[in-house]
Amino acid sequence: ETVLTQSPATLSLSPGERATLSCRASQSVSDYLAWYQQKPGQAPRLLIYAASNRATGIPARFSGRGSGTDFTLTISSLEPEDSAVYYCHQRYKWPLTFGGGTKVEIK
Amino acid sequence: QVQLQESGPGLVKPSQTLSLTCTVSGGSINSGGYYWSWIRQHPGKGLEWIGYIYYTANTYYNPSLKSRVTISLDTSKNQFSLRLSSVTAADTAVYYCARVNHLLSDAFDIWGQGTMVTVSS
Repeated sequence: ETVLTQSPATLSLSPGERATLSCRASQSVSDYLAWYQQKPGQAPRLLIYAASNRATGIPARFSGRGSGTDFTLTISSLEPEDSAVYYCHQRYKWPLTFGGGTKVEIK
Repeated sequence: QVQLQESGPGLVKPSQTLSLTCTVSGGSINSGGYYWSWIRQHPGKGLEWIGYIYYTANTYYNPSLKSRVTISLDTSKNQFSLRLSSVTAADTAVYYCARVNHLLSDAFDIWGQGTMVTVSS
């Protein structure tokens, strides 16, 4: 199984600051890496697919990059509504797996 | 737009079978290019993929659950279902149905709101 390790576990930043979230795979997943945002009591929402493509309706402040084993989700200027847990997910290696999540807190 | 809605019992007794249904509205479950999936989230924990089904009825399961899982389609009702047998307290979780979009590199692009299932006597 491909393990996705997300870091940091928690990120506490102020509005307007830049957030950088990491997802590292235990083996190459090519660019079959997606990012999701989950707010309390809600289902996850797709942010990024194929490592760097924003899903429909996702603000431009969200961007993704990486390939192989190292991936990054960047929120260029945090808004209060970005407070959530962010998960990465890979579908390249069987079985599909998710990372453990990074919680973003807005000060 | 396509929407998904889970339904089923919120309480299941240990050793029994958990059964959930996902109703797809705003689009056909028979459309190629999509897989229909179940994912769960234990309380306060991360996400676990359970399995998915294609409109051809081909199924793919997480090996960790494969011996207990069945996912099926009912195209006449535009629904797909999950059955998880021999449940224990470890199966207590929020269960989500979701659509896998092949055009988006097989990302989960649409999710149901989730349904909490508690396993308890």
